[in-house]
Amino acid sequence: QVQLQESGPGLVKPSETLFLTCAVSGYSISSGYYWGWIRQPPGKGLEWIGSIYHSGSTYYNPSLKSRVTISVDTSKNQFSLKLSSVTAADTALYYCARHNQAWWFFDLWGRGTLVTVSS
Amino acid sequence: QSALTQPPSASGSPGQSVTISCTGTSSDVGGYNYVSWYQQHPGNAPKLMIYQVSKRPSGVPDRFSGSKSGNTASLTVSGLQAEDEADYYCNSYAGSNNLVFGGGTKLTVL
Repeated sequence: QVQLQESGPGLVKPSETLFLTCAVSGYSISSGYYWGWIRQPPGKGLEWIGSIYHSGSTYYNPSLKSRVTISVDTSKNQFSLKLSSVTAADTALYYCARHNQAWWFFDLWGRGTLVTVSS
Repeated sequence: QSALTQPPSASGSPGQSVTISCTGTSSDVGGYNYVSWYQQHPGNAPKLMIYQVSKRPSGVPDRFSGSKSGNTASLTVSGLQAEDEADYYCNSYAGSNNLVFGGGTKLTVL
């Protein structure tokens, strides 16, 4: 059974960098698929942040591209999100998910982790 | 890029059918058959219900169906059940390795 689990600080100060990790179990990241990050501000809709392949190839949402870095660690079977210069607008529930890049959908999701940006 | 347009709410009585629309442009919904739909119950992660416009993943009831006409995709839930009450989101490939979501629709079972 494939599972994804997000982890990271729940509180980040404005102007600092948000860092989250998604640990994948039950499936080797190196076996295929892209792996993505999606966020959901409280009470609002979903926003794709970006996705990465085990080779390190990445796709980013153009609206966030200047602040986002997604990386992968195949030895730990996990991938990570860095979002720099955060503001209150970045407060959201952050999900990691398995991304079928051939048809552009997400078939497996983590439970999500809430990140609040506040001083 | 702009989010896809969904109605904020939809409703129906048990046993009825409800259709939720997802309107984009020729650069996203209308340009590719890469539309998917997700169901999200309160406090839970989204769940894939439809992909490639009309395909259902294993385990999704056949009461859920998808279609597309021009720049508008649709999700139809037939034989509404109380457990179908949830938020529904569409997404579409938007070209240039980009993806866009709809704003979401809250489905209420009356």
